[in-house]
Order: sequence, then C-alpha cells, then structure tokens
Amino acid sequence: DAKTTQPPSMDCAEGRAANLPCNHSTISGNEYVYWYRQIHSQGPQYIIHGLKNNETNEMASLIITEDRKSSTLILPHATLRDTAVYYCIGYQNSGYSTLTFGKGTMLLVSP
Amino acid sequence: KAGVTQTPRYLIKTRGQQVTLSCSPISGHRSVSWYQQTPGQGLQFLFEYFSETQRNKGNFPGRFSGRQFSNSRSEMNVSTLELGDSALYLCASSYGLARITDTQYFGPGTRLTVL
Repeated sequence: DAKTTQPPSMDCAEGRAANLPCNHSTISGNEYVYWYRQIHSQGPQYIIHGLKNNETNEMASLIITEDRKSSTLILPHATLRDTAVYYCIGYQNSGYSTLTFGKGTMLLVSP
Repeated sequence: KAGVTQTPRYLIKTRGQQVTLSCSPISGHRSVSWYQQTPGQGLQFLFEYFSETQRNKGNFPGRFSGRQFSNSRSEMNVSTLELGDSALYLCASSYGLARITDTQYFGPGTRLTVL
C-alpha cells in the first residue's frame, strides 16, 4: 500500500470549506485513495474513496490530481462536528483487507 | 442496514487476566478485521478473518488471538494481560471479496483498561 503524507494539523472556520491535502506519490495503478475520519475515541468513519476521477458524496468531495500523486478532501461547509483526525490511505484489496493508517491530520473547526 | 457492533464498550481488567471482545459485522459482510489503537503506536492491524479462517495477521504476540463463527461474528482474545494492552480495540467489516476495492466499516470500539 502507498505511503501517504498529511499535515499534522489544520484549522478551519465554521461554515468555510475545509481542504485537506494528502500526498501519495508512490501510489500504484490499482490502489484507491480512501479517506476516513475519527472523532475522539470513536471508531474511524468512512468518508469517501476514489481511483482516478473526482468523487462526491453527501459528506465530502475528493479531488485526485491527474498524475494521482496527491489528492484533496473537501468538506464544503465545515461544522464543529467535523473536528476530527482525518486519515488518507492508499489501499488495494489484494484479498487481505488490511488498512495501514498513518498519523492523519487533526482538523480543528472553530466558531 | 445496521452498522458494526462491538461489545462490551468498556472493560477494566487487571494484569495477568484474559479478556474476550466481540464484534458483529454488517449483515452480508464476511470479513472481520481487528485493530488496536494506542496513543503511542496509533492504529495497528491485528488480524483478519474471512469465512471462519484467519487470512492475515499483524505483528502481535501470540497472546492475541481471534476466531470467527459461521455467522461471521468474531471474537478476539487477549491472554495474560499486560499494562501495555490498554487500548481501544476496533473491528471493521467488509465483504472480503477479492476485488480491487472493498470498503471497511468500523465499529465504535472497545476501550480496554488494564490495571
């Protein structure tokens, strides 16, 4: 699985868009980019995933660069409840269903 | 569809005891993975079960074991507890099929404290 690099922390004002970057320069062609978040002491929550194209769901948008070396998770209107650690993971299901978590980005949304 | 459930949510044990944690996956999911989360080591993979067979294992001592039942429910056991086993134990379920992407969904976790 690809090694990912994320900033350790970010701040965002409530109501503004939160843009969380992730570098994954070693990602292979079949690896998806997955995003999870973890609110303090809860289980990680799946947000979104993508391979090449940009993706959007009810929670967020995922923008993947054309060379697939980086991506950005966008929370369009951040709320206080979006304060969490966000993990970017490169994942290819080789039949062993293992996710490798890094340290993630601590997003603090302030009023 | 109901999510992944884990029981108990909180547990306090003393050194030397053993503990069993339970995980019920999302209906239809056959793969259950277990992770340990500590402040120092972060989220680390313990093992994964699929169709009652351990399919993958992380780098943990033999005191950590697990099993899966025919209904895909899984248990993990830690014997001879040590203080360092205090952690949040998470399980995740997925279909477990051999396709390129197979999203894992996590339960709320079991907080184990070893005194």
